[in-house]
Parts: sequence; structure tokens; C-alpha cells
Amino acid sequence: EVQLVESGGGLVQPGGSLRLSCAASGFTFSSYDMNWVRQAPGKGLEWVSYIRFSGSTIYYADSVKGRFTISRDNAKNSLYLQMNSLRAEDTAVYYCARERMGSTYVMDVWGQGTTVTVSS
Amino acid sequence: QSVLTQPPSVSAAPGQKVTISCSGSSSNIGNNYVSWYQHLPGTAPKLLIYDNNKRPSGIPDRFSGSKSGTSATLGITGLQTGDEADYYCGTWDSSLSAGVFGGGTKLTVL
Repeated sequence: EVQLVESGGGLVQPGGSLRLSCAASGFTFSSYDMNWVRQAPGKGLEWVSYIRFSGSTIYYADSVKGRFTISRDNAKNSLYLQMNSLRAEDTAVYYCARERMGSTYVMDVWGQGTTVTVSS
Repeated sequence: QSVLTQPPSVSAAPGQKVTISCSGSSSNIGNNYVSWYQHLPGTAPKLLIYDNNKRPSGIPDRFSGSKSGTSATLGITGLQTGDEADYYCGTWDSSLSAGVFGGGTKLTVL
């Protein structure tokens, strides 16, 4: 079964850091581009970051640029999001999502999400 | 403020048809493919339509997509109570070098 499972969410103080992980199974992770998408309470979906299957190309939303770092370990079938200098507005459910092979910005498999709360 | 504009809500009776619009610009919808997602709170979003009008396997043909210029439309026919959810359009914005979603549309099946 194709599956993505996020972990690493929790409560963190403003200015703090957190590292999210996404474990992939059931498909050849090293062949797929990946994304992080988030949803703040009461808000819509917001794209956060993208990484090419090889790690050679990375993009970030302006709202997280310079603070978040996306990375992957294809040997461990894992995607990561290092979040630094966290702000209250980063509070959200964070989803990792697989990009459909051969398409651009089409996310065909999603995890269940992990919740990040930034509060003092 | 989302880069793509969707109506906040739409509603229709069971069995009826509804359309959800998504308006953008030449840097996003105008020059890139559009996808649509269904999202129930507390669950993983689900891909409904990709490349403007293609359905992944397992998505019924009650769901359809179209694109014209800088706008896209999701259509749902034969509405069921189980279709009640939030629907999002998404595409790549070439000027921003970023992914963009619409603000989402809440569908109510009366």
C-alpha cells in the first residue's frame, strides 16, 4: 500500500525549532518529487515547499523562505522539513504529499498530517 | 489573500449539479495545468482532477474539470451527501516559482 506518514509535530515556543519527518512506503520514493503543504486553523491549504526526486531543485513559499529547509534521504525513504524561527502564524497541520509522476504540482498521495502549534 | 480566487461556498440539493470556479492569471492558470482536491477536515486531501480535466483512477465520472484562459471549473453531478467537503484548485505559478492554491470552497449538499 502506498503510504506517507508524518511525524515530529508538537508544541513549540515562538522563535523555536522543530523538524518534521515523512516516512514513505509502498512506492519507489527516490523516483518522486515531494511537497509539504500546510493548513492553519480555519484557513485553506497553503503550499510550503517542493523538492525534486534527486534533491537538486528546491522551492519555498515566501512565507517560510529563509526559515524552513526541506530535505530528503532516499536511502531512508524519508522527507524532512526543518523549521526554525517559528512564529504563531506557522501553527498548522503539515502534510507531506507525493507529486504525480510526469506532472507538475499534482499531488496524488497525501499523508494524514502532523500538527504544529507555536505558542508561549 | 489567495493567488487563485474561489467562491467561499456553494450549495445544491442531492442529485443536482454544482460548479466551482477558480480564477487566476497568466502566470498560473493561464500557462499551467490545474488540479482539484477534495478535503474533509481531519483527513488527507484527495486528488480529484489533474491536468485540467483528467481523473485519477477511482474517481467517479461525476467529477469533471475544465479550463479556459485564466479560469478553471470543477463540476460535480449527481450530488451526494458524501460530497460535502472543502474543494481546492491548485496550480504552479511561474512568476512566483511557487505552488498556489485557491482559498477553498465549502460545498453543502442541502
